[in-house]
Amino acid sequence: KAGVTQTPRYLIKTRGQQVTLSCSPISGHRSVSWYQQTPGQGLQFLFEYFSETQRNKGNFPGRFSGRQFSNSRSEMNVSTLELGDSALYLCASSLARTNTEAFFGQGTRLTVV
Amino acid sequence: GESVGLHLPTLSVQEGDNSIINCAYSNSASDYFIWYKQESGKGPQFIIDIRSNMDKRQGQRVTVLLNKTVKHLSLQIAATQPGDSAVYFCAETYNQGGKLIFGQGTELSVKP
Repeated sequence: KAGVTQTPRYLIKTRGQQVTLSCSPISGHRSVSWYQQTPGQGLQFLFEYFSETQRNKGNFPGRFSGRQFSNSRSEMNVSTLELGDSALYLCASSLARTNTEAFFGQGTRLTVV
Repeated sequence: GESVGLHLPTLSVQEGDNSIINCAYSNSASDYFIWYKQESGKGPQFIIDIRSNMDKRQGQRVTVLLNKTVKHLSLQIAATQPGDSAVYFCAETYNQGGKLIFGQGTELSVKP
């Protein structure tokens, strides 16, 4: 069974630009969550999608948004990029919303210059 | 944010020894806990989980212990191997549907 796939693996963007990251969950998984990982803040929850609806959101500004499609694939978007948005963005998928294993993709490394 | 990761604690062990990695979790209402292993350049890899109605759970070479009284979680790795070298994270969730709160992580270094 294929794992969680995130594309692209690496991105370099300029301040002020916007970026879209993609996540394909494990087949059959309906819950997709996004996390930001930085050396200073560790792993922080961004948001969770289930059945095409955002169910939970972390403490990030409105520049961070996402969506989920009917096939459970998810995208996240960051607008008006700032230097501090440089991070590893991780997507995790799970069968259900609570108390089940969450499997992570390899992440997208975003560098903002 | 809810996860703090400044200077990672480091655990250095000799190959073949047992390793114990500790984690203090934040919310007494948390009911599900997961240990992840993250190697350089990769996403976190699921190791083992435990629900709050259990105190101990064993997997292959790994054991997780949960002490709800002091909100403490530990991961024991038996016969540690060089391939176990990585950063280990504990994560908790409290019925918030997919939202995992991660600990700061511990870097495990295995000396051959």
